[in-house]
Amino acid sequence: AQSVTQLGSHVSVSEGALVLLRCNYSSSVPPYLFWYVQYPNKGLQLLLKYTSAATLVKGINGFEAEFKKSETSFHLTKPSAHMSDAAEYFCAVSAARRGAQKLVFGQGTRLTINP
Amino acid sequence: DTEVTQTPKHLVMGMTNKKSLKCEQHMGHRAMYWYKQKAKKPPELMFVYSYEKLSINESVPSRFSPECPNSSLLNLHLHALQPEDSALYLCASSQDPGAYTGELFFGEGSRLTVL
Repeated sequence: AQSVTQLGSHVSVSEGALVLLRCNYSSSVPPYLFWYVQYPNKGLQLLLKYTSAATLVKGINGFEAEFKKSETSFHLTKPSAHMSDAAEYFCAVSAARRGAQKLVFGQGTRLTINP
Repeated sequence: DTEVTQTPKHLVMGMTNKKSLKCEQHMGHRAMYWYKQKAKKPPELMFVYSYEKLSINESVPSRFSPECPNSSLLNLHLHALQPEDSALYLCASSQDPGAYTGELFFGEGSRLTVL
């Protein structure tokens, strides 16, 4: 079975500081990994995804993530936090089942930005 | 048009009521999903439709009945719900059911309260 673990249910950083959200995965097959963001009272929006091409993946809003097989990690970073980055972030792994895609989400990390 | 539209945004129902949640997309996507999200938790997959056929049912109680009338519409019929079914119900779609690297496009959700 495939799963992801997000370390830290809540991360708080100052505006302009580095954002680091941690995600580790478990998978018996090469994983497809995603980061989604959820703003309050909204649906989820894809930030970026790893699909076995480049290990450093760039996404929207200045976010990027690096796939490290040796560490089974897919941490999300942003060099300089902005107030608008405050949201819930979910790491997810894609699992194939009966010809359909199943996304398995981590528990989420709430990012708070301090002025 | 990259939107998934869900109606209603809010629904309050009694345990004996019958109601339906509706989801619509016009992106030509052939996979559609229902997720359930409790407060401060990640989304949990309920159902997946691939090419208008039910391909995944995550052992969801029969009081939830999905329906996919055509490739653009997805309904979730609700009957005899329990208070613990109160949650945000998210609809999503993706282009190709067999593409496990595909992005899921989420609606903003229907917030259900069962009294």
